[in-house]
Amino acid sequence: DAMVIQNPRYQVTQFGKPVTLSCSQTLNHNVMYWYQQKSSQAPKLLFHYYDKDFNNEADTPDNFQSRRPNTSFCFLDIRSPGLGDAAMYLCATSHGMNTEAFFGQGTRLTVV
Amino acid sequence: GESVGLHLPTLSVQEGDNSIINCAYSNSASDYFIWYKQESGKGPQFIIDIRSNMDKRQGQRVTVLLNKTVKHLSLQIAATQPGDSAVYFCAENINTGNQFYFGTGTSLTVIP
Repeated sequence: DAMVIQNPRYQVTQFGKPVTLSCSQTLNHNVMYWYQQKSSQAPKLLFHYYDKDFNNEADTPDNFQSRRPNTSFCFLDIRSPGLGDAAMYLCATSHGMNTEAFFGQGTRLTVV
Repeated sequence: GESVGLHLPTLSVQEGDNSIINCAYSNSASDYFIWYKQESGKGPQFIIDIRSNMDKRQGQRVTVLLNKTVKHLSLQIAATQPGDSAVYFCAENINTGNQFYFGTGTSLTVIP
């Protein structure tokens, strides 16, 4: 059974139209991550939550925001998607430092 | 983010041969490492991990070696099979936080 679930698997959005990607977990992990992965590149960490504490990476654009209303759910909001934001977005969870991160299957975002 | 790089972007091996995938990392504060396998269109899948107090760890058909002196780790796959064809990433966890940073990836192709 899937433990980190991302919906939808494929998302098409219009240039400049806000879009939200969803992630849920059944592992009750403290940490939830969002990564952006472009074609033939490594996943790039955007930000993560430890419980309710939000940790942004220094080079994450302001266009990307996140919400974690409870332990199980985390959302990635892209306020004004540009063509360069087309990518696979990966959600992951872990129990904490020095423990395995479990990944979802990703949401592939297309911007038209 | 931190710099975690791979020496070889592509690797082709004959079925049944052993594969070695290398990774260099730059942060001496990294103390936990994971190798992930990623198949096309899917999220990264955990293969094996190693902590900085170890220099070798073995799993089923896989071995990870860690050399902290030169900040290098490798993944060895024994008797490589067609199902091993994928992109392999190393990821590091720095001891000051929960972040995982990924290397650039190696695409492994197994020739039947």
